[in-house]
Amino acid sequence: DAMVIQNPRYQVTQFGKPVTLSCSQTLNHNVMYWYQQKSSQAPKLLFHYYDKDFNNEADTPDNFQSRRPNTSFCFLDIRSPGLGDAAMYLCATSSSKGETQYFGPGTRLLVL
Amino acid sequence: AQTVTQSQPEMSVQEAETVTLSCTYDTSESDYYLFWYKQPPSRQMILVIRQEAYKQQNATENRFSVNFQKAAKSFSLKISDSQLGDAAMYFCAYRNRGNKLVFGAGTILRVKS
Repeated sequence: DAMVIQNPRYQVTQFGKPVTLSCSQTLNHNVMYWYQQKSSQAPKLLFHYYDKDFNNEADTPDNFQSRRPNTSFCFLDIRSPGLGDAAMYLCATSSSKGETQYFGPGTRLLVL
Repeated sequence: AQTVTQSQPEMSVQEAETVTLSCTYDTSESDYYLFWYKQPPSRQMILVIRQEAYKQQNATENRFSVNFQKAAKSFSLKISDSQLGDAAMYFCAYRNRGNKLVFGAGTILRVKS
């Protein structure tokens, strides 16, 4: 089945230690999105890629970076995680028309 | 900028009964998409139903249907024959011209057996 996969499902890191979250997709979608979701809140868009074109949200902290080496994979890098970065990180994809976004299962990040 | 409002932080329904979750939105666009996503405790966001604004007919997916009132900018979700597995957080979302989703704050649905 075509799907969006996120690894790992749970990630524990130390305060200030760089961490990378991974997303892959078999849907062959042009667009990939990264969201941050804190408990009992709606997801907040961090950035998205349209093919190789990177689009950052205005209020996304500089601490968050992303890479998309090919169509299938997209990475979220947190350079120096703070306690406030503990959250669920959701990856989503859509076609170039973007009617529907399909989400992965998420990675729960814990910062100690 | 578009906004999406879900005025019910929590709802409860008895198993096998029907429940309606409310959503209103604000936009100046004429062509857009609206969605309901379900997020169970596992936290995976699952697409429940999608509505294209240019379609007058309300979308349905098995036990899930919407009441789309474009003039009133209202998009409610009706769940019929509620099941225990329907218990989750439900998000209403609007897709804007930039292909970004604007989410409501969510409604927690509890299903009683």
